[in-house]
Amino acid sequence: AQSVAQPEDQVNVAEGNPLTVKCTYSVSGNPYLFWYVQYPNRGLQFLLKYITGDNLVKGSYGFEAEFNKSQTSFHLKKPSALVSDSALYFCAVRDMGKGRRALTFGSGTRLQVQP
Amino acid sequence: EPEVTQTPSHQVTQMGQEVILRCVPISNHLYFYWYRQILGQKVEFLVSFYNNEISEKSEIFDDQFSVERPDGSNFTLKIRSTKLEDSAMYFCASSAGLIDHYEQYFGPGTRLTVT
Repeated sequence: AQSVAQPEDQVNVAEGNPLTVKCTYSVSGNPYLFWYVQYPNRGLQFLLKYITGDNLVKGSYGFEAEFNKSQTSFHLKKPSALVSDSALYFCAVRDMGKGRRALTFGSGTRLQVQP
Repeated sequence: EPEVTQTPSHQVTQMGQEVILRCVPISNHLYFYWYRQILGQKVEFLVSFYNNEISEKSEIFDDQFSVERPDGSNFTLKIRSTKLEDSAMYFCASSAGLIDHYEQYFGPGTRLTVT
């Protein structure tokens, strides 16, 4: 069975500082990995994905994520946080090998960026 | 930018009643999904739908649930006899097509409250 862990319920960072939101995953085959962001009263917005190729993927709003196969991790990063980045972030995985499309989500990490 | 829309935004119903949640996926998308998030818990996959039939479903999606694409634009989730534990945020999503790794785009959700 596939699973995702987001070990931090909340991450606090000062505006202008780099941020990291952690995610580790478990799948039996090769993973498709995704990050989504949720603002209040909004749906889940797609940020970025890893399918294959470069381990560092770039996405919307200056976010990037690094795929690390040996550590089974896909941490979300941004060099300089903005107050407007404050939101709930979800990591999700899909097992490439089984022909399934269902996403398995982590429990979410609330990012709080202080001015 | 095209969006997935959902109606209503909030539905209150009594236990044992039937509810229908409605979604309009992004036009020209071929795969449709329902997920739910019980308050304070993870986003969970319910069902995926392609070519007018269910392509995948989770253990949560039992005989009380059904999905339908009644016309060319709507995608519905019906719960036949609601239970208190069906109270959750229900998200509809769609993805573009046959290429495996297309990301899923989510609607803003319908909050279902069963009393």
